[in-house]
Amino acid sequence: GQQVMQIPQYQHVQEGEDFTTYCNSSTTLSNIQWYKQRPGGHPVFLIQLVKSGEVKKQKRLTFQFGEAKKNSSLHITATQTTDVGTYFCASFSGNTGKLIFGQGTTLQVKP
Amino acid sequence: GAGVSQSPSNKVTEKGKDVELRCDPISGHTALYWYRQRLGQGLEFLIYFQGNSAPDKSGLPSDRFSAERTGESVSTLTIQRTQQEDSAVYLCASSLLGRGETQYFGPGTRLLVL
Repeated sequence: GQQVMQIPQYQHVQEGEDFTTYCNSSTTLSNIQWYKQRPGGHPVFLIQLVKSGEVKKQKRLTFQFGEAKKNSSLHITATQTTDVGTYFCASFSGNTGKLIFGQGTTLQVKP
Repeated sequence: GAGVSQSPSNKVTEKGKDVELRCDPISGHTALYWYRQRLGQGLEFLIYFQGNSAPDKSGLPSDRFSAERTGESVSTLTIQRTQQEDSAVYLCASSLLGRGETQYFGPGTRLLVL
């Protein structure tokens, strides 16, 4: 079945440094969603990308969808302690509403 | 309601007992999802409802797991004869129509099987 691989699993950065997490699939994805889960919390939707090569920005966060729609990335510029959490990518499988999640990247930010 | 709610928030049970977890989706949302998240792990899809029907049950780990939804609203996830490996956070999410839409997650039920 469809799998979405996400790297790295963990990332520790100094506050102010940049951070990037990557999502890859061996199959073409119809879309990609990104979620953030704070420690002890539940996943919260950040954004959805649908078009090949699409780039969307939310303040310091930049989301990209690859030209071949097989990979995606989330880049955070100048991290802050409020960025701490686990970032998941996810994509819909087949023609159903089943959402397949990547393993997540846990970000720690040292003040 | 304002968001997805789940109950109980925490459940401790003994191995071999049955448990029922409840999810109240956002009013009007036709799609409802159950996920399992083990400590430090990602989200594992369990089952998906469109209305009261479950077109995809492929994620249920064993026949000890079952779920139902009634009135296109509340859903219950039942785990029979619980095992220690069932310990996890069980998350419910809902979306307005289903595929391609934002999923709104509930706070989860933390299940501990002793």
